[in-house]
Amino acid sequence: GQSLEQPSEVTAVEGAIVQINCTYQTSGFYGLSWYQQHDGGAPTFLSYNGLDGLEETGRFSSFLSRSDSYGYLLLQELQMKDSASYFCAAPSSGTYKYIFGTGTRLKVLA
Amino acid sequence: GAGVSQTPSNKVTEKGKYVELRCDPISGHTALYWYRQSLGQGPEFLIYFQGTGAADDSGLPNDRFFAVRPEGSVSTLKIQRTERGDSAVYLCASSLNQLGEQFFGPGTRLTVL
Repeated sequence: GQSLEQPSEVTAVEGAIVQINCTYQTSGFYGLSWYQQHDGGAPTFLSYNGLDGLEETGRFSSFLSRSDSYGYLLLQELQMKDSASYFCAAPSSGTYKYIFGTGTRLKVLA
Repeated sequence: GAGVSQTPSNKVTEKGKYVELRCDPISGHTALYWYRQSLGQGPEFLIYFQGTGAADDSGLPNDRFFAVRPEGSVSTLKIQRTERGDSAVYLCASSLNQLGEQFFGPGTRLTVL
């Protein structure tokens, strides 16, 4: 089977930088996506890594290392509105099943 | 343009009843997913449509759950003989292709009493 593990909670202050890790176990791999979800809201797409390395999108960056079965989401210049849950996600090898990680709840403090 | 819409936004039903949840994807998106999300957890895959056909229904919990997408656009998730354990937020997402960015609807909160 496939699983994606994340820390359950991360706390940081406004203006800081925070890294949310995602480790995965899968027999095959088609890339890693990241989604943000505010309480009561729907997940929204943040970033996708199809290849190893860093992808940058404004204040958010995402990194993937296939050899280490590991990726992370980097949030810079944290703002209060970044307080939300963050999920890594990937399609399961050989199927169309899309797997979401366990989720990380980010709390940004003033 | 319009995003993904889902109706109803809330559904309260009694144990044993039948419910239908509707999803209107973004026009032109051929890929459509249904997920179920419980409080504090990530979305759990239920079924994937490519066009009109269910390409992968391996996430449906049992045969009480069924989904259709007859014209390759609107999809309906059908739950028979609902149980209290079916209570969750049911999310629909559409995408241009299976590996692309998924656009989620606001979800339907189902409560089974």
